[in-house]
Order: sequence, then structure tokens, then C-alpha cells
Amino acid sequence: DQQVKQNSPSLSVQEGRISILNCDYTNSMFDYFLWYKKYPAEGPTFLISISSIKDKNEDGRFTVFLNKSAKHLSLHIVPSQPGDSAVYFCAATYDSGTYKYIFGTGTRLKVLA
Amino acid sequence: KAGVTQTPRYLIKTRGQQVTLSCSPISGHRSVSWYQQTPGQGLQFLFEYFSETQRNKGNFPGRFSGRQFSNSRSEMNVSTLELGDSALYLCASSSGGLISYNEQFFGPGTRLTVL
Repeated sequence: DQQVKQNSPSLSVQEGRISILNCDYTNSMFDYFLWYKKYPAEGPTFLISISSIKDKNEDGRFTVFLNKSAKHLSLHIVPSQPGDSAVYFCAATYDSGTYKYIFGTGTRLKVLA
Repeated sequence: KAGVTQTPRYLIKTRGQQVTLSCSPISGHRSVSWYQQTPGQGLQFLFEYFSETQRNKGNFPGRFSGRQFSNSRSEMNVSTLELGDSALYLCASSSGGLISYNEQFFGPGTRLTVL
């Protein structure tokens, strides 16, 4: 039962254009969402997060959008740079005594110079 | 501030053996979580320790176990290794409290290969 899904295993984008990475979830109890970036041979690093009480959070070139009714979030990277090439994981969490911190399967982004 | 360290970085074992992986969290972090990463499966949560107590556990068989020491360092043990245990094992630390709303800081992982 994959509660957090990233249906696109890979994505290629031209440098300078927008990259849009998508994530869908099934559990309506999730109330906090995070994006992590992972380079080869390194552990994932935190990128940006959003609380369920918001629908948008922006940090420099990175913006996360949350559509609660559709149980969908997306990460926009504008403009995309070659250094953004990595695997991106979304994560969804909630705490109800025992917490849940569920990661998606990841999307490999390749930014072409 | 030093990051999360994991040892060893690479490990090759044969079926039936057991293995112990080690993780040192960021200084001051009291929560340590373990994940298994395999192609197509993303990061699968194994368990989380906070102040030497297992606070949460994922859906893995009892062959997977862990512990945390008083200095917050953590170890993960896998007994009776199976081929399907081949994966990247990631450790993450967090400052604690409500981990659900905290970012986690990951180590580089231990690549385990079971032959």
C-alpha cells in the first residue's frame, strides 16, 4: 500500500526552463509535506516543506504547491539549473501518537545544459 | 557541526549471515531513524529511536532490529540475511520532539550487498 506516490520515475528539462515534480497521496491524515533531494552517493537533503494549512510555500527558485482536495502536491523549480539534477523524494507526515513519515518512490530529474 | 555518519559505507555478505550497521547522529540530535532504499520502492521506514527507546516501527520482519545508546549513536542489525535485503540503508537524525514536523538529516548510507 503505497500511500505516497511519485508516478514519474524520471523527468528531463532544459536548463532555464521550469521543472515540475508531482506527488500524490492517499491518506487524508497527512498534515505536513516535505521535499528532499538526493545526489548519488549522498543521503537525501531537505529542500522545502509545507503545512496542510497552506497551499503554497516559496523558497528562492523552489515553490511547493499543495492541493488538499486532490491530495496532490508539486514542486516547481524555476529556473532549472544543471546542479538541480538529482533524485527528488516527497514525504508526507502526521502524528497521532505514533507518527507516520512516508516517502514517495522518487523522481530522477535531469537538467540538460 | 559534523553531519550524520554511517559505517561501514559498503558491505558484502552472504545469505544466512548477520550484519550490524552503525550510525552517529548530529551532535545534540536525540532521534535516529533507519530507512531501506531499493530501486522502485523509495525510502521504506524501518524504525525510529528516541532517547534509547524505539518510538516507532515500520513493517519489516523481526530479522531487522536496532538499538540506541546513551550517546544517541544507533545500530541496526539484520539477521539471517536474504538476497532481498540488498539495499542502501540510510540513517537520519532529527532534533526530536514531534519528528513528523521536523526535517531529517540523512547520512550517506551503507550499501549492503547480499550474495
